[in-house]
Amino acid sequence: IAGITQAPTSQILAAGRRMTLRCTQDMRHNAMYWYRQDLGLGLRLIHYSNTAGTTGKGEVPDGYSVSRANTDDFPLTLASAVPSQTSVYFCASSDSGPGLDYNEQFFGPGTRLTVL
Amino acid sequence: GQNIDQPTEMTATEGAIVQINCTYQTSGFNGLFWYQQHAGEAPTFLSYNVLDGLEEKGRFSSFLSRSKGYSYLLLKELQMKDSASYLCAVMDSNYQLIWGAGTKLIIKP
Repeated sequence: IAGITQAPTSQILAAGRRMTLRCTQDMRHNAMYWYRQDLGLGLRLIHYSNTAGTTGKGEVPDGYSVSRANTDDFPLTLASAVPSQTSVYFCASSDSGPGLDYNEQFFGPGTRLTVL
Repeated sequence: GQNIDQPTEMTATEGAIVQINCTYQTSGFNGLFWYQQHAGEAPTFLSYNVLDGLEEKGRFSSFLSRSKGYSYLLLKELQMKDSASYLCAVMDSNYQLIWGAGTKLIIKP
């Protein structure tokens, strides 16, 4: 593994189904993030984690949950998918959290999710 | 509310220079980022500004004026591979990135 990986690459899901998007990084970054990207809108933060064992809500957290059991993995779960969750989902990580110079975010390749 | 504005689309000619503007209104400021995103791919980091002035990195330069809430990305000697979306993002007082919708840059031969 080099950098950040996401799985699956794409998925078509029936409304009401539960789905977990996986994200793994091998850079030992403290902070990790989940974004969704929709046409005409900027990246919107769903949830984040500044360090293993802690998580926080972003701009659009409703309908999503996350966990951070260890440094490398940050799965995103849709408990009961709805069509408005159709989007491209990006996982990202950065080397430092708040208070340090800056934290360039490195992005995974994305998961394209369609909820029907 | 927090807001990042940048043009939706720009067109330029191969070999020319293009300037992509970004204006922002955010709760606090801890730096401004520019990212490049090719179609169907992930965003990749281009530049970071936290102090006023120009940062140059090869063919790309980024400028910041904090008093005006304004930044631009300058791309010189445009190449076809520069066709992409360019995303402006501001780090707010909570150290979260607020993203603009991106500027799609089309390069014509």
